[in-house]
Amino acid sequence: KAGVTQTPRYLIKTRGQQVTLSCSPISGHRSVSWYQQTPGQGLQFLFEYFSETQRNKGNFPGRFSGRQFSNSRSEMNVSTLELGDSALYLCASSRAPGQDGEKLFFGSGTQLSVL
Amino acid sequence: GEDVEQSLFLSVREGDSSVINCTYTDSSSTYLYWYKQEPGAGLQLLTYIFSNMDMKQDQRLTVLLNKKDKHLSLRIADTQTGDSAIYFCAESRLNSGYSTLTFGKGTMLLVSP
Repeated sequence: KAGVTQTPRYLIKTRGQQVTLSCSPISGHRSVSWYQQTPGQGLQFLFEYFSETQRNKGNFPGRFSGRQFSNSRSEMNVSTLELGDSALYLCASSRAPGQDGEKLFFGSGTQLSVL
Repeated sequence: GEDVEQSLFLSVREGDSSVINCTYTDSSSTYLYWYKQEPGAGLQLLTYIFSNMDMKQDQRLTVLLNKKDKHLSLRIADTQTGDSAIYFCAESRLNSGYSTLTFGKGTMLLVSP
């Protein structure tokens, strides 16, 4: 069974640009969550999608958005990039949204560098 | 505070036991997790414990939970160089009716031969 797949693996952008990251969950998993990982702030929850609907959202500005498709694949978009958006963006999938004890399975992440 | 706290760094010798500690904040958390992150990789779920348990053992891993003190620990027996990684503890928290995971900032474990 293939794991969570994130593309691209690395991205370099400049300030003001926008970027789209992609995540394919494990087959049969219908919930996708996104996290931002930085050395200073650690792992911070961005949002969670299930059945093409955003179920939960972390404390990030509106420049960060996402969506989920009918096949459960998800994309996140960051517009008007800032230097502080440089981070590892991790996607995680699970069978169902936000149930206690639900195990998250992570992809290897997309390393975004904003110059 | 609202943070899940962990010590930042732990160094042990191969063959020793490692103990990684974590304090969490939400007394209503029902599940607590340990994840491992190797360089250049995502997070791998190692183990988790339900809050009504005091201890869970899984091969070389032992999780201890002190719910009164909101303290969680992960013990790795016979630590190997391949165990060198960053270890994250996480608690489940209810947010708008849904459970989300809140992570600590991770403990870097360095195992020397």
